[in-house]
Order: sequence, then C-alpha cells, then structure tokens
Amino acid sequence: EVQLVESGGGLVQPGRSLRLSCAASGFTFDDYAMHWVRQAPGKGLEWVSGISLNRRSIGYADSVKGRFTISRDNAKSSLYLQMNSLRAEDTALYYCAKAFLTTAYFDLWGRGTLVTVSS
Amino acid sequence: QSALTQPASVSGSPGQSITISCTGTSSDVGGYNYVSWYQQHPGKAPKLMIYDVSNRPSGLSNRFSGSKSGNTASLTISGLQAEDEADYYCSSYTSSSTYVFGTGTKVTVL
Repeated sequence: EVQLVESGGGLVQPGRSLRLSCAASGFTFDDYAMHWVRQAPGKGLEWVSGISLNRRSIGYADSVKGRFTISRDNAKSSLYLQMNSLRAEDTALYYCAKAFLTTAYFDLWGRGTLVTVSS
Repeated sequence: QSALTQPASVSGSPGQSITISCTGTSSDVGGYNYVSWYQQHPGKAPKLMIYDVSNRPSGLSNRFSGSKSGNTASLTISGLQAEDEADYYCSSYTSSSTYVFGTGTKVTVL
C-alpha cells in the first residue's frame, strides 16, 4: 500500500524547536519530490516547503524561510522538517505530500501530524 | 504570496452542476498550466481531483472537470452527489518556484 505517515508533532513553547518526520512506503521514494503543507485549525491549506528528488532544488514559503529546513533521506524513504524559532502562528496540522518527478501537483497526502505552539 | 481567491461556499441540488472559481495572477494561475484541485472531507487528508488544469487522476469520476481562462481556473462538478459535499482547494505553481493554495470553497449538497 502506498502511504505517507507523519510523526513528531506535539505541544511546544514559542521560540523552541521541533523536528517532523514523514515515512514513505509502497512506492519508489527517489522518483518523487516531497512537500510539507500545513493547515491551521479551521483554516485553509498553506504550502510550507518542497524538496526535489535529488535534493538540488529546495523551496520555502516566505512565512517560514530562515526558520524551517526541509531534508530527505532517500535510503530511509523519509522526509523531514526541522522547525526552529516556532511561533503561535505555526500551530497547524502538518501534512507531507508527494509529487512525481517534476510534476506540480501533490498526488498523495499523509494524514498529518499536529503541531501546537503555546506557552 | 497571497492565497488564490475562491468563493467561500457553493451549493447545489443532487444532479445539478456547480462551478468553483479560483482567481490568481499572471505570476501563478495565468502564467502556468499547473493548476490542481483537491477535495477534503472533514477530518481527512486532501485528495487530488484535477491536475495540470484539466487532467483527472486515473480512476476518478468524469463528473469532475477543470479549465482555465486567463488568471482564473475553474472546477466543475456535474451530476452533484451527496458524497461531493466537502471543502475544495485549488493550487498553482508560482513564478517564485513555490506553490500557492486557494482560500477554499465549501460545497454543500442541498
């Protein structure tokens, strides 16, 4: 079964760090660009970051640039998001999603991991 | 990057057709044929419905169709069914090599 499973979410104080992981299975991970998309409670979707299959191309939303770092380990079929200097407005359900080669759409999403930033 | 503009809600009776608009700029929707649409039921992950403006993933009902004119893309659902009731989001690739989503539209089946 093709699936993406996120983990690492939780309650964290403002200014602290958190690292999210996404475990992929059922497909050739190396053939896919990977992305993080978040959804604040009761709000819409927001693209956060993406990384190409060979890690040469990485992008970030302006709202997280300089604070978040995306990475991937193709040997472990895993995607990561290091989140530093967290703010209350980063509170959201974080989804990982895959995109085949250089396509510009997200063909499968995980179920998400919830990050709550609060003191 | 500002979110693409979608109507907050659209409704229709079973069997009817509805259209959801998605308005951006020449730097996103108007500049690329990389508009996609996602359906999200409450508490569930988004699901790809349309990609590259008008293409349907394999196995998806042909009741869903997409189009684009200028800076506005559209998703049409024909033969509306109860299970179509959900939130719908458009997305576009941008000139900054990033992605932007729409504000989201709640579809209600009357």
